[in-house]
Amino acid sequence: EPEVTQTPSHQVTQMGQEVILRCVPISNHLYFYWYRQILGQKVEFLVSFYNNEISEKSEIFDDQFSVERPDGSNFTLKIRSTKLEDSAMYFCASSEALQSYQPQHFGDGTRLSIL
Amino acid sequence: DQQVKQNSPSLSVQEGRISILNCDYTNSMFDYFLWYKKYPAEGPTFLISISSIKDKNEDGRFTVFLNKSAKHLSLHIVPSQPGDSAVYFCAASAETSGSRLTFGEGTQLTVNP
Repeated sequence: EPEVTQTPSHQVTQMGQEVILRCVPISNHLYFYWYRQILGQKVEFLVSFYNNEISEKSEIFDDQFSVERPDGSNFTLKIRSTKLEDSAMYFCASSEALQSYQPQHFGDGTRLSIL
Repeated sequence: DQQVKQNSPSLSVQEGRISILNCDYTNSMFDYFLWYKKYPAEGPTFLISISSIKDKNEDGRFTVFLNKSAKHLSLHIVPSQPGDSAVYFCAASAETSGSRLTFGEGTQLTVNP
């Protein structure tokens, strides 16, 4: 069964450094998402992306965050100047369509640890 | 954000019995509800969904019930198997607010052999 893949599985970064999290969505999916889960908290929506544009973003997704689809397969989340509170599991997801009745399929996540 | 709430952090059942996981929501604009299962060190795996125009959806051992008037949904697993032991997340979305999923806290289900 096709799946969303994320790399790396674990990223350790010094506070203030830039980090890029990578995702390869399911090949025929057109909509891409990033979520995060801080330890002990709920999974939270960050951003959705379609046709090389951000479709929607949450209040968490401020200017330090950016997303990009640099080629036909990768979808990346960049955090420009990391803070301690950015430590979390970051999940990438993709879906065939934007309608709310299309399930999103998730990758296994990248654990980001900011020191 | 308390729009989707799973009040039971954990549930333990015997193999072969029914597992019932509950979820409440407050946003009446939600029109699509999903259940995800999550094993440690893996991402959430889509399990089953239901549209707000229905009150029941069944897929094998899994059935989701939706009570719109009570803003409540539940996931029934019968019979429960040890491999079902995982964290179960309820999630909801609204057509009017794009495709973002709003998640509950999750319920850890343990199925004992």
